[in-house]
Amino acid sequence: DIVMTQSPLSLAVTPGEPASISCRSSQSLLHSNGYSYLDWYVQRPGQSPQLLIFLASHRASGVPDRFSGSGSGTDFTLKISRVEAEDVGVYYCMQNLQTQFSFGPGTKVEIK
Amino acid sequence: EVQLVQSGAEVKKPGDSLKISCLGSGFVFGEYLIVWVRQRPGKGLEWMGSINPEDSETTYSPSTYSPSFQGQVTISADRSISTAYVQWSSLKSSDSGMYYCARRRIYMDRGVHRIPGGLGPWGQGTLVTVSS
Repeated sequence: DIVMTQSPLSLAVTPGEPASISCRSSQSLLHSNGYSYLDWYVQRPGQSPQLLIFLASHRASGVPDRFSGSGSGTDFTLKISRVEAEDVGVYYCMQNLQTQFSFGPGTKVEIK
Repeated sequence: EVQLVQSGAEVKKPGDSLKISCLGSGFVFGEYLIVWVRQRPGKGLEWMGSINPEDSETTYSPSTYSPSFQGQVTISADRSISTAYVQWSSLKSSDSGMYYCARRRIYMDRGVHRIPGGLGPWGQGTLVTVSS
């Protein structure tokens, strides 16, 4: 099984400042097609999770361009260029290279 | 509009059976993998398993399960009514939580190759409470 880890597990950010979350997988998520099968989701308070980034760096439709994803293989990063109040929530990475998917533990983002 | 609508909240006793559902609309249900995710109160997301509704009619074991959920739940689907299910034969208090279904999107690479494109949309969640 692929184990996902995230750091930090919590983050307090001043509005307008950048934020960065790291995600690591216990095995490479690089598919033979050249894509890394790593997604990022946000779960805002009281809501269902929502897709932010897929295939490590592809922003989902409707996601503000202040969100970006990078990385390949086993190390990935989600960046928020300028945090806004609505970005409060828990951010999860998820691997879907194997038929058995797995999530990271989540990173809670709060506003200072 | 592409959406997944889940069945309502359930309150059950330990040992009860339960089947919750996830109804898809706005897309061809049989063409997409459906995933189930559990979230215990105050905890993170746990991938339970998945099913390709198209395979549910032709394959004996169409579902894939996380080792943590193998043998504990049954994931099924009825393509004719665009609905996926999770079923328990004997609930435990530890099964309490919010259960989400989600569709695995398809991304067209260079307009030719169909590859996975993340999970979306997600259902609104079904809260299951198991208590004596």
